Amino acid sequence: KQEVTQIPAALSVPEGENLVLNCSFTDSAIYNLQWFRQDPGKGLTSLLLIQSSQREQTSGRLNASLDKSSGRSTLYIAASQPGDSATYLCAAPISSGSARQLTFGSGTQLTVLP
Amino acid sequence: DGGITQSPKYLFRKEGQNVTLSCEQNLNHDAMYWYRQDPGQGLRLIYYSQIVNDFQKGDIAEGYSVSREKKESFPLTVTSAQKNPTAFYLCASTSVGSTGELFFGEGSRLTVL
Repeated sequence: KQEVTQIPAALSVPEGENLVLNCSFTDSAIYNLQWFRQDPGKGLTSLLLIQSSQREQTSGRLNASLDKSSGRSTLYIAASQPGDSATYLCAAPISSGSARQLTFGSGTQLTVLP
Repeated sequence: DGGITQSPKYLFRKEGQNVTLSCEQNLNHDAMYWYRQDPGQGLRLIYYSQIVNDFQKGDIAEGYSVSREKKESFPLTVTSAQKNPTAFYLCASTSVGSTGELFFGEGSRLTVL
């Protein structure tokens, strides 16, 4: 069974810092890995999707990398802003059978201080 | 605009009552999912459906039921058999055979009084 872990559970940084959020998974037979953002009381917003054949994806100030062999993904946020404050979750679906079931980490709660 | 609509956003239920949460998508996605989110925990899969008139149990299906009569709709019923139904419920969808990117609705918060 896939297990996904996110460290740290919470992170507080001053505005302007570059930061890295970590995601580890136990089953390397993943179809892809997706990073989400969740604001309080809201649904999840997709940030980046990395296919299993890719090493990284970039969108604006966000860069996500994937290393299947070590079971790790990182989300890099450059020049953080107070508006980046949210919970960030990663999810990894395993490629077994025809069902594409995602396993989610518990998330990293990010606070960017002005 | 294409997207996933969940309703109601907030719902209060008395113990012993069944309630149904609505999820509608206009993204022409094949697969739809229901997740439950509790404070400090990751999302847990309740039910999922890959095609109309077919659905499978997820990790925590007990006390819940679903139907998939139309491609666009995947309602979730929280029955009185669910011991601890107070939670945030999230509906998601994706297109089978595509990149697999998952899209979410805004969620429904259920509180049992």
